[in-house]
This record gives sequence, C-alpha cells and structure tokens, in this order.
Amino acid sequence: SYELTQSLSVSVALGQTARITCVGNNIGTRNVHWYQQKSGQAPVLVIYKDKNRPPGIPERLSGSNSGNTATLIITRAQDGDEGDYYCQVWDGGSEMVFGGGTKLTVL
Amino acid sequence: QVHLVQSGAEVKKSGASVKVSCKASGYTFSGYAVHWVRQAPGQGLEWMGWINPGTGNTKYSRKFQARVTITRDTFASTVYMELSSLRFEDTAVYYCARDAGLNWGSFHFWGQGTLVAVSS
Repeated sequence: SYELTQSLSVSVALGQTARITCVGNNIGTRNVHWYQQKSGQAPVLVIYKDKNRPPGIPERLSGSNSGNTATLIITRAQDGDEGDYYCQVWDGGSEMVFGGGTKLTVL
Repeated sequence: QVHLVQSGAEVKKSGASVKVSCKASGYTFSGYAVHWVRQAPGQGLEWMGWINPGTGNTKYSRKFQARVTITRDTFASTVYMELSSLRFEDTAVYYCARDAGLNWGSFHFWGQGTLVAVSS
C-alpha cells in the first residue's frame, strides 16, 4: 500500500517561513492535497492539486510537488497558522491515503 | 453555501453497530462524492470510503471493507455511514467530507464530526 511520511513537528519563528514536507514514492506524479486542523476542529483544505488555494486561503500558503517530496510552504508565519497539517493523495487505485500529520508550532 | 451537518455523538457497546448521518445542503447533492474519514483520539486522519450520491456506487478502504457500509437518501440529501462489529479501537471522531467533484479525491468541505465512543 502507498505510504506518505511527514515529520512529526515543525517549529517556525513568528514572521518567518515554514516548510512542511510529505514524502512518498514518486509523489510528484500524483495530486497532493493539504489540510490544516486546529485543536478540536474539523480539518480545512488549504491546498489542492499540489499548489491551488481554495477561496479564503491566504496567498502566504503555497505548495509544490516534485520527485518524492511534496512541500507546503507558509510564509510570514502567524499564530493562527499553528495546528496539525496533513498531506493526502489518491493512491491511483481505490484508496485515499493521508500522511501521519505534522504539528506546526509558531514561536 | 455548502453545509454538511452530522448526527450527534453515540455511545455503543463492543460488538454493536453505529450509523452516522451527514445531511448536505447548498449544492447539487448528486454532483459530488462524499467521503468518510475518522480520527481516533490523539491520532491522524484515516479514510474509510466514499459514495457517488447520484449512482449509489461505493468504494471502501481495504481496512474497513468488511465492516463499513455507506449509503445515501437522495430525497433527504443525506449520506449514511454504518460501521458494524464495533470494538474499543473504533472510538473516534467520524467526519463526512465532500469532494470537489465525483472523482477528484480531495475533501473540500467537512462536516463538524461525530464522536463515537465504544465501551466494552
């Protein structure tokens, strides 16, 4: 089965840039979606199809995907960006797969 | 605007079944797939399966294939997820989520979640 690997945690200073990675075999050939989940809330889609932002998601959030790594980039990090971030792909068969999640802390 | 409203929390005994509903509004019900995703306490997200509300066709995760059934009521614009043979490890928040289309495989709108607690 297809697996996605994320770092358990990432820390970023207020106003700086955070990079959250998602590693999978030839992930660059798949569409990657990213979700933010704040404590006690439902997840929210923040990036779909590698680099597209849904309405209401700030331009500070962007995505890239190539080779074996997809990356969610958060520039000018704010306190409100704290939470858990999950990457997700369709494995090409019939399964949707999530990464294990990365906890983002803004210092 | 799109809304997905789920049924309330459930407490079940081990071995029982649970059925969670997800009422959709604000869009054409048959035009978008609906998925179910669960999250155990302190754990990550886990995809369970999806349904095409227009046709009723379903796909299930291999992990849940034998125990999960997703159905829909088109007149009520509601999708249901039933999980049988519950065990303690099924204690989780269960979410429904709407796709961007019928087979995009991305979850653009989410319900508020339904806590299912399983006791022995």
